[in-house]
Amino acid sequence: EVQLVESGGGLVQPGGSLTLSCAGAGFTFNNFAMSWVRQTPGKRLEWVSSIDGNGGGTFYADSVKGRFTVSRDNSKNTLHLQMNSLRAEDTAIYYCAKCPAYFFFSGGYANHWGQGSLVTVSS
Amino acid sequence: IVLTQSPGTLSLSPGERATLSCRASQRISTTYVAWYQQKLGQAPRLLIYGASSRAIGIPDRFSGSGSGTDFTLTISSLEPEDFAMYYCQQYHASPLTFGTGTKVEV
Repeated sequence: EVQLVESGGGLVQPGGSLTLSCAGAGFTFNNFAMSWVRQTPGKRLEWVSSIDGNGGGTFYADSVKGRFTVSRDNSKNTLHLQMNSLRAEDTAIYYCAKCPAYFFFSGGYANHWGQGSLVTVSS
Repeated sequence: IVLTQSPGTLSLSPGERATLSCRASQRISTTYVAWYQQKLGQAPRLLIYGASSRAIGIPDRFSGSGSGTDFTLTISSLEPEDFAMYYCQQYHASPLTFGTGTKVEV
């Protein structure tokens, strides 16, 4: 059974930083691209970032480009999202999601999702 | 690509047929549309990918169709557990985008 468990969320002040992690189990982690998708307080879903199976390709939404960095440690089956210069509009539940293929552009949907990690940006 | 879902809310009874619409602001390749179900307090769950292929474990009362700019999710006969929020998503072009959502309520 595929399991994705996020950690690292919390309350942070505007301009601050936070790193989310996602531990994967039940599948061969390095064979699949992974994504981060967030859900705003208004329930809108937004794609944030994705990374290919070997970490060679990384992709970002314009709203986070230059502020967020996605990475993975395949030896530890872990996905990370480093978030800097956080803004109030980054407040959301952040979901880690598994893609169906090695390359992100071979299948840009999510066939498994974690339970999410809440990030609140507020002073 | 902006995805607009309609209606915003669909009020139906168990056993009835639900038809959910997803309209794209520009043409999408047929194979690059997915549908998700989300229940309150839970993560989204993949229902349909490639516009019409059911994900593993999804009952056959769920079906997807459409092409170009108009896509549809149909639930042939609503079960009590189907009352939830539904989102479409396109992966034809970056950035990936999701629809505004349709709430199916009793």
